[in-house]
Amino acid sequence: GAVVSQHPSRVICKSGTSVKIECRSLDFQATTMFWYRQFPKQSLMLMATSNEGSKATYEQGVEKDKFLINHASLTLSTLTVTSAHPEDSSFYICSASPGKNEQYFGPGTRLTVT
Amino acid sequence: AQKVTQAQTEISVVEKEDVTLDCVYETRDTTYYLFWYKQPPSGELVFLIRRNSFDEQNEISGRYSWNFQKSTSSFNFTITASQVVDSAVYFCALSEAHTDKLIFGTGTRLQVFP
Repeated sequence: GAVVSQHPSRVICKSGTSVKIECRSLDFQATTMFWYRQFPKQSLMLMATSNEGSKATYEQGVEKDKFLINHASLTLSTLTVTSAHPEDSSFYICSASPGKNEQYFGPGTRLTVT
Repeated sequence: AQKVTQAQTEISVVEKEDVTLDCVYETRDTTYYLFWYKQPPSGELVFLIRRNSFDEQNEISGRYSWNFQKSTSSFNFTITASQVVDSAVYFCALSEAHTDKLIFGTGTRLQVFP
């Protein structure tokens, strides 16, 4: 149980285009979903917290207009990187929480912007 | 403010050696949770353990053991008889009871050589 999927696992896009990453909790309802970014050889940095049906809460320094988060249902959250630039190339990981301080992580999406 | 410190950036051992990964945390809350995750080269985060602040019992799971010491704010992780498959980056993390947000340490890269 407690499986979280992410799609796509890898994506390469051209500078200036937008990319959407999906995060799904497959066998439980996630009251909260989190989006993290991880640069090579660095730790995971929380980007934003999203609750179903409400606006995401962004961490300091994360541009909400650049990283659009939608949490349309209790099993799906999407992160859209708008007008991507090479510096947005990173490993993006989502996690889903059913509450009770539990978090289950997706396998990650490696984004490369050329 | 909450913080997780993993002072060891990289550790190299030879197979069958025991190795301890250190984790020191800071929090003002009396109720909190501590975690360890393994991140192999594939990138996916593998959950290893969750501990709440009221449970100071040490835990053993196969070759893995954890030592939680509230007096020193530490939650150290020991791998006994290490194997090459243990090579990965290991992250310690903290979440406070009033929020599901995870604060990650900077990670320790463990390399186990045959």
